[in-house]
Amino acid sequence: EVQLVESGGGLVKPGGSLRFSCAASGFTFSTYSMHWVRQAPGKGLEWVSSISSSSNFIYYADSVKGRFTISRDNARNSLYLQMSSLRVDDTAVYYCSREGRGVVRAFDIWGQGTMVTVSS
Amino acid sequence: EIVLTQSPGTLSLSPGERATLSCRASQSVSSIYLAWYQQKPGQAPRLLIYGASSRATGIPDRFSGSGSGTDFTLTINRLEPEDFAVYYCQQYDSWAFGQGTKVEIK
Repeated sequence: EVQLVESGGGLVKPGGSLRFSCAASGFTFSTYSMHWVRQAPGKGLEWVSSISSSSNFIYYADSVKGRFTISRDNARNSLYLQMSSLRVDDTAVYYCSREGRGVVRAFDIWGQGTMVTVSS
Repeated sequence: EIVLTQSPGTLSLSPGERATLSCRASQSVSSIYLAWYQQKPGQAPRLLIYGASSRATGIPDRFSGSGSGTDFTLTINRLEPEDFAVYYCQQYDSWAFGQGTKVEIK
């Protein structure tokens, strides 16, 4: 079964740091670009960051640039998001997602999400 | 930066009716870069439509997408109870999402 499973969310104070991961299974992880998307409580979807299959191309939303770092370990079939200088408005459910290949370049597989709460 | 605006914000319909959701881009978008997602409460989004009009694997044929340039439409024929959800469009040139349309039971 094709699956993405996030882990590592939690409660952190403003200014703090957090790193969470996304474990992929059921497909050849090393051949797909991957993304992080977040959703603040009661709000819509916001794209956060992307990383190409070989980590050659990395992009960030302006709202997280300079504070978040995306990375991947293809040997471990894992995607990571290192967040620092966290702000209250970073509070959200964070989803990892797979970018399809070929004509299906949309986000075709999603994890269940991990909640990050930034609060003092 | 391309901004996607979805309308209406909320659509109140009865099961069996047709839903027509709009997604308008601030500048022209290549059709191959437009997708629609469905999200139910407490769940991750699910890909419905990619390339503006192609249904993703397992998506029923009552869902259809159309449009080009700056105007795109998601149509849901004969709404089923499980179709009441929030729908998002996305252009994956810069991966930005629209703000969503909630389809609720009237």
